[in-house]
Amino acid sequence: DAGVIQSPRHEVTEMGQEVTLRCKPISGHDYLFWYRQTMMRGLELLIYFNNNVPIDDSGMPEDRFSAKMPNASFSTLKIQPSEPRDSAVYFCASGLRGGYTFGSGTRLTVV
Amino acid sequence: SQELEQSPQSLIVQEGKNLTINCTSSKTLYGLYWYKQKYGEGLIFLMMLQKGGEEKSHEKITAKLDEKKQQSSLHITASQPSHAGIYLCGADMGGFQKLVFGTGTRLLVSP
Repeated sequence: DAGVIQSPRHEVTEMGQEVTLRCKPISGHDYLFWYRQTMMRGLELLIYFNNNVPIDDSGMPEDRFSAKMPNASFSTLKIQPSEPRDSAVYFCASGLRGGYTFGSGTRLTVV
Repeated sequence: SQELEQSPQSLIVQEGKNLTINCTSSKTLYGLYWYKQKYGEGLIFLMMLQKGGEEKSHEKITAKLDEKKQQSSLHITASQPSHAGIYLCGADMGGFQKLVFGTGTRLLVSP
């Protein structure tokens, strides 16, 4: 199994631009999580899905952030418009109850 | 405020020494997860604890769950440089697989 695949690995964009982060979970996993990690705030849960349905999006910082999971094999996290304070490493994780596998993350830099 | 507090925040130990990292929850735990993160990389699952008093081991790492105290500890025996990294505890705080993480403990092992 290739594990949880995130793309791109690195993204540098200008303030105000739209950014889309992608995640392919492990086949058969019914939970998918999006996290953001910064030095100041640590690892924050943004949103998570169960069977493609958003369960809790209370961690999404603002309306500028949106996440979708159109099918069991794909999810996106979109930021529009992006701001410098969105710079962070964004992780996707998937799993069944009892253990979750993380992707390698997308390092986002907004200048 | 953080729902999961880890202590210590950072730790430097000499190779061969034992060490313990603690994770304390402000709420009832429905599952406690330990992950390790190497600098600049994704999180690697170590183990999950569900029942009070449960103890699991993987190589030289042992984790215990004290459900009554809402606390877990991670113990490393005879530390090695390969143990260096950030250790994160995560917990399902509401029983719905909403996995949130603690503040992390940075471990350095000196030769």
